[in-house]
Amino acid sequence: DAGVIQSPRHEVTEMGQEVTLRCKPISGHNSLFWYRQTMMRGLELLIYFNNNVPIDDSGMPEDRFSAKMPNASFSTLKIQPSEPRDSAVYFCASSGPELGRSPLHFGNGTRLTVT
Amino acid sequence: RKEVEQDPGPFNVPEGATVAFNCTYSNSASQSFFWYRQDCRKEPKLLMSVYSSGNEDGRFTAQLNRASQYISLLIRDSKLSDSATYLCVVNSAGGSYIPTFGRGTSLIVHP
Repeated sequence: DAGVIQSPRHEVTEMGQEVTLRCKPISGHNSLFWYRQTMMRGLELLIYFNNNVPIDDSGMPEDRFSAKMPNASFSTLKIQPSEPRDSAVYFCASSGPELGRSPLHFGNGTRLTVT
Repeated sequence: RKEVEQDPGPFNVPEGATVAFNCTYSNSASQSFFWYRQDCRKEPKLLMSVYSSGNEDGRFTAQLNRASQYISLLIRDSKLSDSATYLCVVNSAGGSYIPTFGRGTSLIVHP
């Protein structure tokens, strides 16, 4: 079975550029989560969707970050404009079917470096 | 008080040792709990769920203490390959279910 698929695996960009991270959840999972991991702050939940609807985006750091889930098999996390402090590993995870009880399955992550 | 707290370690143990980690949580209404393992520069992977009655999977035992609001992970007969960071996850309840991760406990198993 294919797991959660994220792209790109690595992204290096200059400050001010737009960055788009992509995620394909496991088929049949109805919840999708975007996390950011840094040494300083650990794993932080940015936003999560249930049945393609954003449920909680309180973790999104600021207006430069936006996320969409146009259908059950695809989500994007966009940073515009990017800043050096956005450098981190961004993980997408999916779960289902019991929201709050089913474990998360993570993608390989996107390692973002903003110079 | 942080929602989910773990001792960062590192726990440095010899092969064959038994080691235990605790994870405390602040939301008494939390409903589900998990342990994840994360290797360096890799994604977190589910190790095991934690059930109210406690559960075992080979060398690994997980327990939940609701009264004191902590979960534990016991690893028996440690192997070199157990070296990793162990993350606890607590699903808070009440409106929206938010899986909250601890910062992780680093385990180093040496020969």
